[in-house]
Amino acid sequence: GESVGLHLPTLSVQEGDNSIINCAYSNSASDYFIWYKQESGKGPQFIIDIRSNMDKRQGQRVTVLLNKTVKHLSLQIAATQPGDSAVYFCAEVSSGNTPLVFGKGTRLSVIA
Amino acid sequence: SQTIHQWPATLVQPVGSPLSLECTVEGTSNPNLYWYRQAAGRGLQLLFYSVGIGQISSEVPQNLSASRPQDRQFILSSKKLLLSDSGFYLCAWSSWTPSGSNSPLHFGNGTRLTVT
Repeated sequence: GESVGLHLPTLSVQEGDNSIINCAYSNSASDYFIWYKQESGKGPQFIIDIRSNMDKRQGQRVTVLLNKTVKHLSLQIAATQPGDSAVYFCAEVSSGNTPLVFGKGTRLSVIA
Repeated sequence: SQTIHQWPATLVQPVGSPLSLECTVEGTSNPNLYWYRQAAGRGLQLLFYSVGIGQISSEVPQNLSASRPQDRQFILSSKKLLLSDSGFYLCAWSSWTPSGSNSPLHFGNGTRLTVT
């Protein structure tokens, strides 16, 4: 399959540890944010989203934190597993029915 | 449930040949549709998006074009491929909402295009 993320920042985490992936966004008008996971040769898969009226949202093993003051978004993965190895993208959008703007991505590598 | 189909999964084409990639969505009506390209080691570059039949917005001027002949069909085309057109092409859809509130994009599994 397609090899993505050859030159992307890499985060290496021991299996069972927690992972934190960070993203800085540039548009202060952005009001909707999404995290995606992309495995090699596949399309990005939706993980979790958050709107600007919230600063934290939790899913299954994942938490997204939004700090609008410093325009920072993070994805926390609890008890990281080998299946979490992938490239993770954040995305932002500022108004309805307009396209998302994607960040550059971070490769997460889980060490068994 | 909604599904998105892209084909072919892989494609090898010579320089100067035409291109047609097709994407269809099932299980939803009047979706927003998108074409993205992803070069190796890079993020996602938006190429085209469409909010309705016959309505196409181009984000990047290049030798590619898009068409939406039906509500749930989105086609990416080129008359003459360049080497620089090689990449991983992703189709995506999102729900259209009257209020304009955003919804996530849902991606297909992509087409890996190699121009030789």
